[in-house]
Amino acid sequence: QVQLQESGPGLVKPSETLSLTCTVSGGSINSYFWSWIRQPAGEGLECIGRIYTSGSTNYNPSLKSRVTMSLDTSKNQFSLKLSSVTAADTAMYYCARASFMVGGVALDYWGQGILVTVSS
Amino acid sequence: EIVLTQSPGTLSLSPGERATLSCRTSQSISSSYIAWYQKKPGQAPTLLIYGASSRAIGIPDRFSGSGSGTDFTLTISRLEPEDFAVYYCQKYGNSITFGPGTTVDIK
Repeated sequence: QVQLQESGPGLVKPSETLSLTCTVSGGSINSYFWSWIRQPAGEGLECIGRIYTSGSTNYNPSLKSRVTMSLDTSKNQFSLKLSSVTAADTAMYYCARASFMVGGVALDYWGQGILVTVSS
Repeated sequence: EIVLTQSPGTLSLSPGERATLSCRTSQSISSSYIAWYQKKPGQAPTLLIYGASSRAIGIPDRFSGSGSGTDFTLTISRLEPEDFAVYYCQKYGNSITFGPGTTVDIK
């Protein structure tokens, strides 16, 4: 059973960089797209971006200037860095796997989420 | 950029009733790229439907999806108590975009 687990600081100061890691267990990180999604309290889901195991990335245009994603296949991990954070970046952050299945593509496995608060 | 719109915003129903949720895209999109998720407080989203109409593993058959082009529908045939939640449609493609969600609450 594939499992994803987010890790990182739960509190980040304004103007600093948010750094999160997602560890994948029960399966290989290879040959999949891996995404970061966030949800501010009381709001909807927003995709921050995705990374393929080749290292190619695709970021949300609204966040592109502040986002960097990377992955480490040897550790079965992928990471998110979001720079110059403000209170508006306070949210639950999820990592997820995108699978191409017969008939379609979707985010089939998700981490449990990690709450990140931006505050001094 | 393709925008997803969901309606209604809130659906108030009783257990046993049928729920019909709508998702519209601002441009025609391959049905392969449409998915539906269930979101409960304190939990990660759960994939229900992918490819507009294929049920994900372990999802009860009371959940069904349909649609093509710009209009997609998630139907819950008979609401169970555990089905009261927020439902999001999502499109994959050049970017991943979610709709604003439909809340299904108890009447």
